Amino acid sequence: GENVEQHPSTLSVQEGDSAVIKCTYSDSASNYFPWYKQELGKRPQLIIDIRSNVGEKKDQRIAVTLNKTAKHFSLHITETQPEDSAVYFCAASRPPGGFKTIFGAGTRLFVKA
Amino acid sequence: DTAVSQTPKYLVTQMGNDKSIKCEQNLGHDTMYWYKQDSKKFLKIMFSYNNKELIINETVPNRFSPKSPDKAHLNLHINSLELGDSAVYFCASSQAGGYTEAFFGQGTRLTVV
Repeated sequence: GENVEQHPSTLSVQEGDSAVIKCTYSDSASNYFPWYKQELGKRPQLIIDIRSNVGEKKDQRIAVTLNKTAKHFSLHITETQPEDSAVYFCAASRPPGGFKTIFGAGTRLFVKA
Repeated sequence: DTAVSQTPKYLVTQMGNDKSIKCEQNLGHDTMYWYKQDSKKFLKIMFSYNNKELIINETVPNRFSPKSPDKAHLNLHINSLELGDSAVYFCASSQAGGYTEAFFGQGTRLTVV
């Protein structure tokens, strides 16, 4: 069945460093790739997303890249801050309507002050 | 106003009992979901409904029965609860039509003892 692999499962960085989380998807029909951040005890919330017709998207310190050929997409966080500490989930969604969104297993990011 | 709300937030119950979790969204979305998040934080889709119709049933035991009385509500009833059902259950909603983020409820932490 469809699968989204996410690495690493845990990532520890020093404040100010960059963090990169990578995902691979198996369903070639996937066309929408959102990233969610889940702080401790809270709900997942969208932080950035990318569509299959775009290779890169940036929003301040966060950027996402997509390689459709290789079925890889990555989240890049620059100048990390302690408040970036959370669990990050990548996801892949296929049409129509995102009825079936498959999540990666999550990456627990620790940013040390 | 809370966009996606689910009740209760915490639920502690004994094995063998039957329990329900309720979910309501006021975003006008067509699609609603139930996700299960286990102790390892893995988010797994259970059900997806579009306009009150079941779209996705991800090989969930038939002890779990979703019910959507209208587009704004998706409730989850669980019969004969087992220890392995202990998890956080998230309701979510999104607009149909692709490229849409999912808005999550605050989660229901179910503990079966």
